[in-house]
Amino acid sequence: DAGITQSPRHKVTETGTPVTLRCHQTENHRYMYWYRQDPGHGLRLIHYSYGVKDTDKGEVSDGYSVSRSKTEDFLLTLESATSSQTSVYFCAISGGQGSGQYFGPGTRLTVT
Amino acid sequence: AQTVTQSQPEMSVQEAETVTLSCTYDTSESDYYLFWYKQPPSRQMILVIRQEAYKQQNATENRFSVNFQKAAKSFSLKISDSQLGDAAMYFCAYRSARGGSEKLVFGKGTKLTVNP
Repeated sequence: DAGITQSPRHKVTETGTPVTLRCHQTENHRYMYWYRQDPGHGLRLIHYSYGVKDTDKGEVSDGYSVSRSKTEDFLLTLESATSSQTSVYFCAISGGQGSGQYFGPGTRLTVT
Repeated sequence: AQTVTQSQPEMSVQEAETVTLSCTYDTSESDYYLFWYKQPPSRQMILVIRQEAYKQQNATENRFSVNFQKAAKSFSLKISDSQLGDAAMYFCAYRSARGGSEKLVFGKGTKLTVNP
């Protein structure tokens, strides 16, 4: 299994509070991704990174920011959480050469 | 933009039988990759099988095989000798082979139930 961890695994927070989710990889891969998964929508890309300090938006980036100061860590921040951001969040890394992406275990976030 | 469609929100199969999950995609590119992912109740996303568009031969991984029809833009997954552990959500995904982000575009998934 690819060495990808996410923290926390579960979080309950209140509307309006900031939240940061962490993704850590031990594979030294260049590309990292954040997705959200909601019923009926599959996985949707929030942001991705193609190197240290190099990030770009995905299809559902509003309300989210990311940072990558080290190859191994990719942080997702909800500056002011809303109930619509209640979801399961997945981090992934790309193995390159068309090998596909490998996913972390996910974080279930509930915004009350 | 590329899109991926899984037209079967739910499927069921009897244990030991064969089931085929459908996936179609829309792209103007000629070189790309296609994937099937499995998500069991544990929530972990597991890569099941991949196909390179320039290869005509259909990919196979043990009991899992694909029927890749490039002209029809179809990429179905066949599970043979279904087992209870195959019960999961299955997602089809597309990735351009052009250099860049290596982003995946996912379908909305098919929930597979395996009946004993």
